[in-house]
Amino acid sequence: GEDVEQSLFLSVREGDSSVINCTYTDSSSTYLYWYKQEPGAGLQLLTYIFSNMDMKQDQRLTVLLNKKDKHLSLRIADTQTGDSAIYFCADSSYKLIFGSGTRLLVRP
Amino acid sequence: EPEVTQTPSHQVTQMGQEVILRCVPISNHLYFYWYRQILGQKVEFLVSFYNNEISEKSEIFDDQFSVERPDGSNFTLKIRSTKLEDSAMYFCASSEAVTDYGYTFGSGTRLTVV
Repeated sequence: GEDVEQSLFLSVREGDSSVINCTYTDSSSTYLYWYKQEPGAGLQLLTYIFSNMDMKQDQRLTVLLNKKDKHLSLRIADTQTGDSAIYFCADSSYKLIFGSGTRLLVRP
Repeated sequence: EPEVTQTPSHQVTQMGQEVILRCVPISNHLYFYWYRQILGQKVEFLVSFYNNEISEKSEIFDDQFSVERPDGSNFTLKIRSTKLEDSAMYFCASSEAVTDYGYTFGSGTRLTVV
């Protein structure tokens, strides 16, 4: 079945770049997404990429998609303490399939 | 910005009781979803709903679960006889199209079964 895998934890220093990686199995995905979840809160859509794109930049966020390897990454430039959260990648054909989430800790 | 609204934010219920979780999707959206997240685990798909019927459901969505759109605005998830393992955060989502550039999620209902 469809599966999405992520590393569980990432710790970076404030001001550095963060790179969160994700692999997925469903080659029919139309869009791939990154969601952010702060403690006790819901899921906030951060950004998405259409499956025929390689890269998308949105302010501090850069999404890279390697469709051949089914690998998706999210780079956060100049990471701030407010970026500390759990980041979920998700793929979709007719429903969202989420990864297990990467907990990002930003150290001052 | 349009929002998906879920009520209540937290519900505590006794094992065996029925619960109804409520959602108001975004008004021009046509596709509605329920997801759940057991504490510390991944967000899991439960069910999708379109044109007044279930379009897809997961293995988790067994006979104790049902969904309904009782009027033009609400979308509900009913759990008939709650079990301890139903304790989770339940998220409602809606989208304009079945493959969309962004499903909008509600802030969730935390269900605690005691």
